Parts: sequence; C-alpha cells; structure tokens
Amino acid sequence: GQQLNQSPQSMFIQEGEDVSMNCTSSSIFNTWLWYKQDPGEGPVLLIALYKAGELTSNGRLTAQFGITRKDSFLNISASIPSDVGIYFCAGLSGGGGSQGNLIFGKGTKLSVKP
Amino acid sequence: ETGVTQTPRHLVMGMTNKKSLKCEQHLGHNAMYWYKQSAKKPLELMFVYSLEERVENNSVPSRFSPECPNSSHLFLHLHTLQPEDSALYLCASSQGRLAASHNEQFFGPGTRLTVL
Repeated sequence: GQQLNQSPQSMFIQEGEDVSMNCTSSSIFNTWLWYKQDPGEGPVLLIALYKAGELTSNGRLTAQFGITRKDSFLNISASIPSDVGIYFCAGLSGGGGSQGNLIFGKGTKLSVKP
Repeated sequence: ETGVTQTPRHLVMGMTNKKSLKCEQHLGHNAMYWYKQSAKKPLELMFVYSLEERVENNSVPSRFSPECPNSSHLFLHLHTLQPEDSALYLCASSQGRLAASHNEQFFGPGTRLTVL
C-alpha cells in the first residue's frame, strides 16, 4: 500500500534556528498537506499544496510540493518555543469525484531548547 | 462552540463495557471521519461519512460501530474492546468528499481511550 516516509522522526533545536523536515513516497500525490499537533489536541492544518513545484508560505513556515509529486518539505525559520509539537505530512491521491486516499506520515516531533 | 468538538476527552473502560464517543462539527461541512492515532504509527482512517452515508470502512473490527444521524454529528459506539484498542480517536470534517481540491479536513481534539 501507499506509505509516506517522514524524516526526521524527532529533532531538538536551539531557539532561533531554522528547521527542515520532509516526506517522501514511491507513490504520486495530487495534494500535500502539512499539519501540526499540540499535546492533547487534534492536528491543525498549516499549509496545503495543490500543484507540483508549488512553494507556499504561512508566516515563518514554507512548504514545497516536489516536482515529481512524490515528496514535499516543510521549513520553519527562526524557531520559537511555541513551535514545539508534532508535525505531520499527508498526501492525497485520487480525484475526479472519487473519495481519494489521504495518507499520513508518522510525524516529526520538534522540541526547542529555550 | 466553534470548529469540531469531541466528548468525552478522556475515557477509561473495561473490555466488557459499552461506551460511545461523540463528535460534533459546527462548520457546516457534509463529510465526517473517524481516525485512530496510536503511538509511533501514522494516523489510521477508520470510517468516512459523506452526506450521512458511510462511504468508507477501512477493515475496522465490528467492535467499532459508527453512526451518523445527521451531517453535524458522528458517533463511534464501542463494545468488547481490547487493550490494543487504546489510542487517541480523532474526528474530522470537511466540505465535500476528500478527493476534491481544497477540501481540507478540520480535526477535533480527540478522545484519549484506555481499555483495561
């Protein structure tokens, strides 16, 4: 079945540093989504990407939809303590009226040293 | 209330108990989803309801029984669960079925379930 390989699994960074994480797959996706989950809460959508090559920003966050449609990355610039949490990528395949298939990565746990 | 709400937030039950999880969305969406989130594993889609009709059941054991009485409410009825069913159960909703562009899912806070 389809799988997403999300890396790194976890990372500790110094406040103010930039962060980069990515998701790769052997399958092609039509949409890439990046979510953040805080402890005790559900995932919250950060960025959605709909076209191969698309680069989208949301404040200090930037994400790109890979040209091959098999990967995506998320960058966080100048990290702050509230960036702590688990970041998930999700790829959506299917379309044209079908239900499609949303596959999630296992997440990247981000911890920031103050 | 706004967004997607779930009750209870925490539930501890024995293997012989029957309980229900409730989800309510206040976003006017017409599709709702149940996910299971276990440690070290990706989110697992369990059920999808679109316009109150179940459109997807990802090989979920029959001890999990969903119910969608209207487009705003979704239940997950639980009976004779196993300890390995302990997890965070997340509800989500979207406008339209998942494959269409821009139909992003909005998640509730989840119910943390522990089966003893």
